[in-house]
Amino acid sequence: DSGVTQTPKHLITATGQRVTLRCSPRSGDLSVYWYQQSLDQGLQFLIQYYNGEERAKGNILERFSAQQFPDLHSELNLSSLELGDSALYFCASSVSADSGNTIYFGEGSWLTVV
Amino acid sequence: AQTVTQSQPEMSVQEAETVTLSCTYDTSESDYYLFWYKQPPSRQMILVIRQEAYKQQNATENRFSVNFQKAAKSFSLKISDSQLGDAAMYFCAYRSYLGFNSGGSNYKLTFGKGTLLTVNP
Repeated sequence: DSGVTQTPKHLITATGQRVTLRCSPRSGDLSVYWYQQSLDQGLQFLIQYYNGEERAKGNILERFSAQQFPDLHSELNLSSLELGDSALYFCASSVSADSGNTIYFGEGSWLTVV
Repeated sequence: AQTVTQSQPEMSVQEAETVTLSCTYDTSESDYYLFWYKQPPSRQMILVIRQEAYKQQNATENRFSVNFQKAAKSFSLKISDSQLGDAAMYFCAYRSYLGFNSGGSNYKLTFGKGTLLTVNP
């Protein structure tokens, strides 16, 4: 158990809908990352938050947004969903944003768009 | 841009034997970090081992060790005394520099495509 908690574990929704994925980082970790894993794209970095502030953006679509709350939990919002958004979404956390910190992953949220 | 290449889509090993998974990367940085993550059928990403580029000594974690060749930009994972529970997808990852902003320096993990390891009893 990495200590990173993600909910829901599985989610099935229709195209055009909006979903929210939730993440609680490890105790004491200030940095939260979101990654997407799909068959065709592999593991892709989406976005990073540090202590409530957006820190870095990767390949995140404009239809997607995220935030980190004062209690350090984070939410990833996916809207106007398309079939191609079906993927495993990982949340990860680390103590800080420094390069040497180990990043610990949650179990992921399986999103299926039908 | 940094890239990570795992040239072996699939590997198999007999239980109790040793297997080596290959990884190469491309970077112009001199100081960086490399990782191996394991993803079993449960799909969770589990850290196996990490290596700091400034350390010449290869990292070791129990039955897992790496062969880090900085000049060759190679970072292979050796699994000794393979066990059935080692069966998983293994991902090599590089901690790549994204840039600097008001918050400081930013990094992300760049992953290879993965190597599916099968352990035969």
